Amino acid sequence: GAVVSQHPSWVICKSGTSVKIECRSLDFQATTMFWYRQFPKQSLMLMATSNEGSKATYEQGVEKDKFLINHASLTLSTLTVTSAHPEDSSFYICSARDPRASSYEQYFGPGTRLTVT
Amino acid sequence: GENVEQHPSTLSVQEGDSAVIKCTYSDSASNYFPWYKQELGKRPQLIIDIRSNVGEKKDQRIAVTLNKTAKHFSLHITETQPEDSAVYFCAASKGFSGGYNKLIFGAGTRLAVHP
Repeated sequence: GAVVSQHPSWVICKSGTSVKIECRSLDFQATTMFWYRQFPKQSLMLMATSNEGSKATYEQGVEKDKFLINHASLTLSTLTVTSAHPEDSSFYICSARDPRASSYEQYFGPGTRLTVT
Repeated sequence: GENVEQHPSTLSVQEGDSAVIKCTYSDSASNYFPWYKQELGKRPQLIIDIRSNVGEKKDQRIAVTLNKTAKHFSLHITETQPEDSAVYFCAASKGFSGGYNKLIFGAGTRLAVHP
């Protein structure tokens, strides 16, 4: 199947700093990517839909000025957590669907564990 | 808004028994229903999916059934094995391109299979 990668796999940052997470589709072009957040022992919550060449669409309750999404190319979307606080510590996962496929299957990245101290 | 409810939250079975997890969705336009298995600290892994034009799908020990009228779908695992122990998530989407692809997840079921 198609491959989605994320970088970094884990990051520790200090409160008040910003951190950028990259999501790449390695063998297909993705005009749309999705960003999820997962707190310990909870489900995946959709944060936003990243659209290549246009603004991201954020889910209700997600602060767009805090979670900046840039989808500058067909294979790369980035999520920047600005002015991070301990409550932003979570597992961030991206996904994308291969538009060439007849299947609706989405491919998930391996996730990025963010710890804010 | 769109919502997916999943039950039970935890499920404990003996090895060899069957396990059933149920989900209900709210958006009648949903037409794609995947099931994921997630192990601690890892990405969700697709184990089976079904589209709304199909009532049932089976893959070896795993099957999914869909009732569009009632807006619910279920995961059935037969002959459970200890390695089936994990958290299982159901999800729903409208399955079209672009933003409609977004997945709405259920809360998850922690399955424990005891030898």
